[in-house]
Amino acid sequence: DAKTTQPTSMDCAEGRAANLPCNHSTISGNEYVYWYRQIHSQGPQYIIHGLKNNETNEMASLIITEDRKSSTLILPHATLRDTAVYYCIVRAGGTSYGKLTFGQGTILTVHP
Amino acid sequence: SQTIHQWPATLVQPVGSPLSLECTVEGTSNPNLYWYRQAAGRGLQLLFYSVGIGQISSEVPQNLSASRPQDRQFILSSKKLLLSDSGFYLCAWSPEYSNQPQHFGDGTRLSIL
Repeated sequence: DAKTTQPTSMDCAEGRAANLPCNHSTISGNEYVYWYRQIHSQGPQYIIHGLKNNETNEMASLIITEDRKSSTLILPHATLRDTAVYYCIVRAGGTSYGKLTFGQGTILTVHP
Repeated sequence: SQTIHQWPATLVQPVGSPLSLECTVEGTSNPNLYWYRQAAGRGLQLLFYSVGIGQISSEVPQNLSASRPQDRQFILSSKKLLLSDSGFYLCAWSPEYSNQPQHFGDGTRLSIL
């Protein structure tokens, strides 16, 4: 699976959009981009995933560049409860199981 | 809807004692099941995964073992715990044969004394 690079930490004001970047320049054609977050002392929570089209759900939007070498997770109106570690993970599709390789992620701190 | 249960939430065990952590999934059939461990301040490491009853694959050599006695039950065990087995243990499931995401339980925080 391709390696990802994320900033170590980011800050965001409450109510503003949080834009979390992820670089995956070695991504292969059959690899998906997944985003998870982990609030302290809890299990990771799935947010969103995509292959090449932009995706949106009730939690966030995922913007994937046309060359698929990077992506951005957007939390449209960040709240204090969005403070967490955010993980960007690339995983190949078409397999009968899905090993997720978690890196260090981005620590997002939302300020009042 | 599908739910995943892990217990206990916290556990304190002496070195050399046995371990049994249990994970069950409801609302789905033939799930893929996973055990991860997260050491303090570190990322998650996949320990075991299972694609069916009695089918266990190990990702890293260690002092632990896993079993899947029933379709939706996954157990993590050890005969004799080591200090290095301390950590946050997470069970996860995903649908069979798909690119759908894994969903995690609330985890068990294991402290070895």
